[in-house]
Amino acid sequence: EVQLQESGPGLVKPSQSLSLTCSVTGYSITSNYWGWIRKFPGNKMEWMGYISYSGSTSYNPSLKSRISITRDTSKNQFFLQLNSVTTEDTATYYCARSVKWVWVMDAWGQGASVTVSS
Amino acid sequence: DVLMTQTPVSLPVSLGGQVSISCRSSQSLVHSDGNTYLHWYLQKPGQSPQLLIYRVSNRFSGVPDRFSGSGSGTDFTLKISRVEPEDLGVYYCLQSTHFPPWTFGGGTKLELK
Repeated sequence: EVQLQESGPGLVKPSQSLSLTCSVTGYSITSNYWGWIRKFPGNKMEWMGYISYSGSTSYNPSLKSRISITRDTSKNQFFLQLNSVTTEDTATYYCARSVKWVWVMDAWGQGASVTVSS
Repeated sequence: DVLMTQTPVSLPVSLGGQVSISCRSSQSLVHSDGNTYLHWYLQKPGQSPQLLIYRVSNRFSGVPDRFSGSGSGTDFTLKISRVEPEDLGVYYCLQSTHFPPWTFGGGTKLELK
């Protein structure tokens, strides 16, 4: 059974970078797609982007200048970096597996709450 | 971006009752491959979202048949019959036809009357 677990700082200062790690067990990240989604206070959900089995990436155009998703296949982990954060980036961040050809996120981590505040 | 509009925002229900949630898209969700990539999730309190329905009407593994999805084009519906306490939470639709980005509906909170 695939399991995903987010980790990283819960508090980030404005203008700094937000960095999160998603550790995956039970499934190789060299298969399918691995992405990040965030939920803002008040229920709004936003798909941020993904990294594919081959290492190619796709990002939400609204974030394209600030976001980077990378991976370490030797550790079966993938990473989110979001630069120049503001208070509007305060959210719960989820990592998830996306299934090729179905194009749906079928397995999610438990989420990491990140607050942007000075 | 494709705008996904969910209604209602809040949905009071009695246990054992039946409810429907609507999801409308700003453009057709029929992909050039002929498939429609519209999916439904439930986020229970304190949990991460869980997949219920994929590609309009396919129940994900372990999802009871009380949940059913239907629709086409721009208009989709999730029906829940015989509502149980574990069905309470926030429901989201997601489109992955038009990409990037994939886009979510605003959510519908199912709560007890």
